[in-house]
Amino acid sequence: QLQLQESGSGLVKPSQTLSITCAVSGASISSGGHSWSWIRQPPGKGLEWIGCIQHSGSTYYNPSLKSRVTISVDRSKNQFSLKLRSLAAADTAVYYCARGVRRFDPWGQGILVTVSS
Amino acid sequence: EIVMTQSPATLSVSPGESATLSCRASQSISSNLAWYQQRPGQAPRLLIYDASARATGIPARFSGSGSGTDFTLTISSLQSDDFAVYFCQHYNNWPPWTFGQGTKVEI
Repeated sequence: QLQLQESGSGLVKPSQTLSITCAVSGASISSGGHSWSWIRQPPGKGLEWIGCIQHSGSTYYNPSLKSRVTISVDRSKNQFSLKLRSLAAADTAVYYCARGVRRFDPWGQGILVTVSS
Repeated sequence: EIVMTQSPATLSVSPGESATLSCRASQSISSNLAWYQQRPGQAPRLLIYDASARATGIPARFSGSGSGTDFTLTISSLQSDDFAVYFCQHYNNWPPWTFGQGTKVEI
């Protein structure tokens, strides 16, 4: 059964960079031609698609975040990662990783990242 | 950017009754729509994709319909663990994909 698990720093200072990794278990990240995505949810609010990395390695980002986001994959570790630069309080959210580029299934449990000094 | 609008914001239903949730897109998205369920403290779970196809393991009491701009999620015979927040999401023209603001189904 495919499972995803986020890990990373839960508290980041303003202007710094958020780094989160999604470990994939139960299947190879390179198999099946799958793509992998990041989605976030500010506390008590809705969902925002951040971006994705396709099987080919191509990346696509939400235009609202594109200048600050990098998504990459490490196939040797069976994981993919999110970096978000120049953080502000508005970036405080639960960050989810998920399989898929159009619809998302399954999701990781999420990691709360708080941006605060 | 396509705006997804869900209604109502909150739906009060009794166990055993049916619930009908609506999602409207600001422009036609064909059938490129998914529905997710999010229980408190949990990650969203895919229920429906391509507007009407049930995801693996989703009970038949969940059904989706619609195309173009208007979509519906129907939950028949609500059970206790169906009380949650439901989001719709389009995947038509990208980027970006966008989600509705959610409908909370409460007892």
